[in-house]
Amino acid sequence: DAGVTQSPTHLIKTRGQQVTLRCSPKSGHDTVSWYQQALGQGPQFIFQYYEEEERQRGNFPDRFSGHQFPNYSSELNVNALLLGDSALYLCASSPGQGYEKLFFGSGTQLSVL
Amino acid sequence: AQKVTQAQTEISVVEKEDVTLDCVYETRDTTYYLFWYKQPPSGELVFLIRRNSFDEQNEISGRYSWNFQKSTSSFNFTITASQVVDSAVYFCALSESAGTALIFGKGTTLSVSS
Repeated sequence: DAGVTQSPTHLIKTRGQQVTLRCSPKSGHDTVSWYQQALGQGPQFIFQYYEEEERQRGNFPDRFSGHQFPNYSSELNVNALLLGDSALYLCASSPGQGYEKLFFGSGTQLSVL
Repeated sequence: AQKVTQAQTEISVVEKEDVTLDCVYETRDTTYYLFWYKQPPSGELVFLIRRNSFDEQNEISGRYSWNFQKSTSSFNFTITASQVVDSAVYFCALSESAGTALIFGKGTTLSVSS
C-alpha cells in the first residue's frame, strides 16, 4: 500500500518563476493538506482540499494556489517565486477532514535562487 | 492565540539514556487536540500520538510515554532507553478542533549516540 507520494523530490527555480508541486494521497484518503517547512522551523499550514474545493487556508498570500483532482491527487502552485519561498513543501492526506492521523509525504525541497 | 513552544532546540544523549522532550501550548479553546510527530532525515513526518483535551490519562507505548497536564498546558514526551534509531526531529502540534490545521512547534532535534 503506497503512502503519500510527492513529486518532484527536489526543484531549483529562480525568482519570479512559477512552480507546480504534485501529491498523490494514501489509498483511501480523500483529503489533502499542504504545509511549508522552512529550514529549522516547524511546518506551517498552507491549505486543505476536500471534494475538490479549498476548505481551509493558512496565512499565505494568493501567490499560493492549489487544486484537487477527482482522483484526490493535488497540486500546489506558487507564482512569482521569492527567495523566501525556499522550503520543504509537505503534503499530508487523511480519510475525511478530521485529523485523527495525518499521513505525510517526504516532501519537495524547493530552492529559489 | 494558538501557540506551541518547544524550548529545547537540540538534545544529545547516549544510548540507553532516558530523555524527555518538552511541549507547552497556548489555546483559548476548551476542546483541542495535541500531537507528536517524528521527522527522520528522510523528511516525512511520522505520527506518534494524538490526545484530546478531555483525556488527561498518561499513555505508554513501548519505550514511548506521554504526560499531558492541562494545569500547566504541557504535553511532554519521554523516550525510555533511547536508541540510535530514535535520532530525529520531534514536533509537538496543536489543533483547536477536529479537522482544523495543525499548529506545530519549532521542533526538538534529538541525537542519540552509541
